[in-house]
Amino acid sequence: AQSVTQLDSQVPVFEEAPVELRCNYSSSVSVYLFWYVQYPNQGLQLLLKYLSGSTLVKGINGFEAEFNKSQTSFHLRKPSVHISDTAEYFCAVYNAGNMLTFGGGTRLMVKP
Amino acid sequence: GAGVSQTPSNKVTEKGKYVELRCDPISGHTALYWYRQSLGQGPEFLIYFQGTGAADDSGLPNDRFFAVRPEGSVSTLKIQRTERGDSAVYLCASSLGTSGSGTGELFFGEGSRLTVL
Repeated sequence: AQSVTQLDSQVPVFEEAPVELRCNYSSSVSVYLFWYVQYPNQGLQLLLKYLSGSTLVKGINGFEAEFNKSQTSFHLRKPSVHISDTAEYFCAVYNAGNMLTFGGGTRLMVKP
Repeated sequence: GAGVSQTPSNKVTEKGKYVELRCDPISGHTALYWYRQSLGQGPEFLIYFQGTGAADDSGLPNDRFFAVRPEGSVSTLKIQRTERGDSAVYLCASSLGTSGSGTGELFFGEGSRLTVL
């Protein structure tokens, strides 16, 4: 079985400040890792993904994430956030069982 | 189509009624997923289709929930004798992946918001 834990349910931050959204996972097999973003009243959009290779992956809108196998983490970062980044962010893991398992989500609230 | 399409976008029903939610995946995608997202929570897996067959239905909460994909394209999620606890956003997603070889990159629709009064 696999599971995903997003430690922070809400992260308030001021505009232009850096942000890190934390994600830890557990799985008995190799996984692929994802971050999805959900803007208000919209569907889920893929932000970035780790399949293999470099552990630092870059996504859309200036976000990046680092896969750390020893710590089973996949934290999401952005060096300078904008008001438009206000949204719900979901970390997810996928394995060969063909199921994508989501964390509970982190609400990023960017304040002016 | 250009993306995953879900209808209706909103459905309000009364307790005990029957509901159908439709999903039209991206053309050519063989895998189709249903998830349920309750307020303030992450999406929870319900069922996964590979072609016409349900490859994994372990997430369906009880026998009031059923889903079909008769021609390997459009899918319908059916909920019998709805309860207030069924209120949620039901998300559909599709992907190119075939069994055992997918990368997990799912493309989501905007969801069907179900409210049971």
